[in-house]
Amino acid sequence: ETGVTQTPRHLVMGMTNKKSLKCEQHLGHNAMYWYKQSAKKPLELMFVYSLEERVENNSVPSRFSPECPNSSHLFLHLHTLQPEDSALYLCASSQVEKSYNEQFFGPGTRLTVL
Amino acid sequence: TQLLEQSPQFLSIQEGENLTVYCNSSSVFSSLQWYRQEPGEGPVLLVTVVTGGEVKKLKRLTFQFGDARKDSSLHITAAQPGDTGLYLCAGRRSGTYKYIFGTGTRLKVLA
Repeated sequence: ETGVTQTPRHLVMGMTNKKSLKCEQHLGHNAMYWYKQSAKKPLELMFVYSLEERVENNSVPSRFSPECPNSSHLFLHLHTLQPEDSALYLCASSQVEKSYNEQFFGPGTRLTVL
Repeated sequence: TQLLEQSPQFLSIQEGENLTVYCNSSSVFSSLQWYRQEPGEGPVLLVTVVTGGEVKKLKRLTFQFGDARKDSSLHITAAQPGDTGLYLCAGRRSGTYKYIFGTGTRLKVLA
């Protein structure tokens, strides 16, 4: 596997379910990100983990809970979601010491909340 | 809230035509990136520009960073159906490694 991988690619869940999204990066980077992409809205940064420590949380609802056990893996735990949470969830990684901090994205998980 | 406005929002053109997409902000960025995203996939990085006035070329794509580092443009020459996709710009302000994404331009090139 190369680059950034995400599983599952598609997920349908009810509002009372609990599920987790997984992201893995094979680039040796030290920062990982979760983004939400909804129709007609810019990409929204949800969480950043740098050197396995969460450094930013843009007021995301507590029904989204990130976990970063090491620099290669990132999870997004979901519980009691709302239909408006349906979106494409993208994971990205980067090497923050590099001057450009170029981010590399995974293919995303298409989430539908019924 | 920092905003990166892209124009046009939608563009449908015939194969072989030229086009320009714009990315504008009132903020100064230390670097700016352009991505292309195809349906069902994540954004793929095309280029990063860092110097005011910088021009970078990637085959038929020409990227320019504004002199004041507040805006950027992407010009495609002789567009092909394979250029179809969502084009996103993303700017990073000095002192942070976080990128702010633009509103996107959805391009469709018809054969």
